[in-house]
Amino acid sequence: DADVTQTPRNRITKTGKRIMLECSQTKGHDRMYWYRQDPGLGLRLIYYSFDVKDINKGEISDGYSVSRQAQAKFSLSLESAIPNQTALYFCATSGPQRVGNEQFFGPGTRLTVL
Amino acid sequence: GENVEQHPSTLSVQEGDSAVIKCTYSDSASNYFPWYKQELGKRPQLIIDIRSNVGEKKDQRIAVTLNKTAKHFSLHITETQPEDSAVYFCAALNYGGSQGNLIFGKGTKLSVKP
Repeated sequence: DADVTQTPRNRITKTGKRIMLECSQTKGHDRMYWYRQDPGLGLRLIYYSFDVKDINKGEISDGYSVSRQAQAKFSLSLESAIPNQTALYFCATSGPQRVGNEQFFGPGTRLTVL
Repeated sequence: GENVEQHPSTLSVQEGDSAVIKCTYSDSASNYFPWYKQELGKRPQLIIDIRSNVGEKKDQRIAVTLNKTAKHFSLHITETQPEDSAVYFCAALNYGGSQGNLIFGKGTKLSVKP
């Protein structure tokens, strides 16, 4: 879905480096999410935000932080990257629950931590 | 919190056969159950969903059934085609609850052999 974009699409970094993954959306959605995907583990929620002033930890928030700069932008940071944070990261958005719960995913960012 | 179990983790069928993927959930308050399809190298996309006030929903060759008493729901794909090959994720959501987040199963890799 071209309405949700992520940058960068691929990133290789070294242990201890600070990394920021960015997500932008033009869908006008208030709700935004960050997931990581690992083989055999499905999609696990890292952080979510229901509006600009609302940030919440998900299932696996340790080692990560987020910033909701605007309704359309939600960034994920790894303060000091470690190898087990190597994964595929997805941003997603959804509209208000009253109109449905479909989540729209970005194309993903493949992060490798050496 | 909610826990979603998905089985099998891999499924191989011949083209034209049916495929069934099953999920169980733990939180009886969950009331929205979507299925996402993720093709190789692509983002997850919603293919069908069901709410707890409905027992079955169909969309062409795919259908989802829900048994609230047993807390399980299933995805049925009939007349499978090679393009159905993908990873399928089930999820559960407490719609209207305090969090309202999707909890995903670990995924099923479906292979349809020509």
